[in-house]
Amino acid sequence: EVQLLESGGGLVRPGGSLRLSCGASGFTISTYAMSWVRQAPGKGLEWVSGISGSGGTTYYAVSVKGRFTISRDNAKNTLYLQMNSLGAEDTAVYYCAKKSNSDYYDSGGYYTSDFDSWGQGTLVSVSS
Amino acid sequence: QSVLTQPPSVSEAPRQRVTISCSGSSSNVGNNAVDWYQQVPGKAPKLLIYYDDLLPSGVSDRFSGSKSGTSASLAISGLQAEDEADYYCAVWDDSLNGPVFGGGTKLTVL
Repeated sequence: EVQLLESGGGLVRPGGSLRLSCGASGFTISTYAMSWVRQAPGKGLEWVSGISGSGGTTYYAVSVKGRFTISRDNAKNTLYLQMNSLGAEDTAVYYCAKKSNSDYYDSGGYYTSDFDSWGQGTLVSVSS
Repeated sequence: QSVLTQPPSVSEAPRQRVTISCSGSSSNVGNNAVDWYQQVPGKAPKLLIYYDDLLPSGVSDRFSGSKSGTSASLAISGLQAEDEADYYCAVWDDSLNGPVFGGGTKLTVL
């Protein structure tokens, strides 16, 4: 059974840093594309960052580019999100999501964003 | 403000059919595969439809997806109380170089 378990959330002051972790079981993260998706309180879903199955390609939303870094440790089967220069606008539940295959680009000539498994989320609160 | 436009809310009676629209552009819906997610408040999203109109294993066939040009739709037939949730469309945006989600639609089963 596929399981994703996020951790590392908490309260942090503006300008601070936090590293989120997503431990995976039931599959090998190096063979699937993965992403982080967040949801601010009472708001909709916002994609944050993604990494291809090979790890060779990373993607970032404009709102976090230059501040957040996605990475993974294949030996630990764990996905990470390093978040720096945090602001109030980053307050949200952060979900780890697994894509159904190894890349966002389909051989059919189009991009895909089908996340077939999600973690339960970890709350990040940025406040002084 | 999302680049994908969904109605904020829809409502319908039990056993009826409802559709939720997702309007985009040539850089997203018109050029890439659309997915639909269901989110019950307090829970993680669940994939309902992928690649425009495909049903993941285990998802009821009361759910169906379609796409025409730069608009996509999710249809739910035989509405049940358990279908009350928020529904999001998602698709890769070529200009933003990443997936985008619609603003979400809250479904109320009357």
